[in-house]
Amino acid sequence: DAGVTQSPTHLIKTRGQQVTLRCSPKSGHDTVSWYQQALGQGPQFIFQYYEEEERQRGNFPDRFSGHQFPNYSSELNVNALLLGDSALYLCASSSERTKREKLFFGSGTQLSVL
Amino acid sequence: GQQVMQIPQYQHVQEGEDFTTYCNSSTTLSNIQWYKQRPGGHPVFLIQLVKSGEVKKQKRLTFQFGEAKKNSSLHITATQTTDVGTYFCAGGYQKVTFGTGTKLQVIP
Repeated sequence: DAGVTQSPTHLIKTRGQQVTLRCSPKSGHDTVSWYQQALGQGPQFIFQYYEEEERQRGNFPDRFSGHQFPNYSSELNVNALLLGDSALYLCASSSERTKREKLFFGSGTQLSVL
Repeated sequence: GQQVMQIPQYQHVQEGEDFTTYCNSSTTLSNIQWYKQRPGGHPVFLIQLVKSGEVKKQKRLTFQFGEAKKNSSLHITATQTTDVGTYFCAGGYQKVTFGTGTKLQVIP
């Protein structure tokens, strides 16, 4: 039973570029949430996808967008990268049908913006 | 928006000593969850509390949810080096908000 998988594990970009991060949820899960975790900080909620739609959104600008596919996998896109976007991006999956608030996290994508 | 604060921010303890972290929310929570993140790792779910005043135990860990459902605590008895990491509380429905975390260092 595969857990939550994220790719790539590490990424280096320069300011102004665009990036796409990918996430496959745990088997049986249908909801994907994305978090940004700066060094030494707690995870900050970006948004949540369910039934291929953005259901909840945190306090992040429109440069952050996402998508969920019919197989429940998800992408996070960040446009016009800023130095401050450097962080660990975590994907978490959960099940709407069962213990929906219990989050299973992937290992994350470490994004460095130079 | 909802804010979840934790104290202390850091805690160094001698192995065998007890440890407690406190979590306070600016709003009433429908539930509280606790996660542990090892250095270089990702948050791992520990437990969820739902009822007002609820207390749950997992071996040396005791979790409490406040009567007003706005605060919670995690107590570790007789810490071990394997307890090292950052402990986060988190609450909310759909939009799960994480606390600021308490980083625990255990000195052998």
